[in-house]
Amino acid sequence: QSVLTQPPSASGTPGQRVTISCSGSSSNIGSNTVNWYQQLPGTAPKLLIYSNNQRPSGVPDRFSGSKSGTSASLAISGLQSEDEADYYCAAWDDSLNGSVVFGGGTKLTVL
Amino acid sequence: QLQLQESGPGLVKPSETLSLTCTVSGGSISSSSYYWGWIRQPPGKGLEWIGSIYYSGSTYYNPSLKSRVTISVDTSKNQFSLKLSSVTAADTAVYYCARHDEWELPGDYWGQGTLVTVSS
Repeated sequence: QSVLTQPPSASGTPGQRVTISCSGSSSNIGSNTVNWYQQLPGTAPKLLIYSNNQRPSGVPDRFSGSKSGTSASLAISGLQSEDEADYYCAAWDDSLNGSVVFGGGTKLTVL
Repeated sequence: QLQLQESGPGLVKPSETLSLTCTVSGGSISSSSYYWGWIRQPPGKGLEWIGSIYYSGSTYYNPSLKSRVTISVDTSKNQFSLKLSSVTAADTAVYYCARHDEWELPGDYWGQGTLVTVSS
């Protein structure tokens, strides 16, 4: 079991808006920032969102992140077929001398 | 452009020690205020953080792996390394190295990953 909880799957049709949730606790999301990663099949994860809601250069503004309390969300608007991928959230956890914790990942299917 | 490249044996026997090196090019490990880390992904499963190191040698480790993990840095070679002892089949995974960001999380620079299989 992952420390951060994500739904195992999500889906949407082209053009739709989908959201992926990431639930944690006061020792991780509740007190630290959240990153989101996109992983296409057979490739390394790619940073999608950092510091809760910031996009690295080159990431389309269709991707947005938010955080409230001990939960975070990734929203994808104007869904495209190339968005079909696995998505992971991550946060620093202050317990046990500190460590990075990941969500279990969400497989997004574009129908 | 910063690049990271993992290297090491692709096959390790059970009970032995897994050793990998990440070579950083296009920038210096010791010239920036970032941690450098290792993440792994068993086949068909999610990401698991292993640990990270600062150029000074300061480290953080995943509590569940801490007893078996050692991460070290060689600034003269612009490399950092991972050693995982007493491996079992459960340690079979793609191992990634990555530069961490100012919030201590894996950031925008990752290696391509290397598959390590634990088998006799």
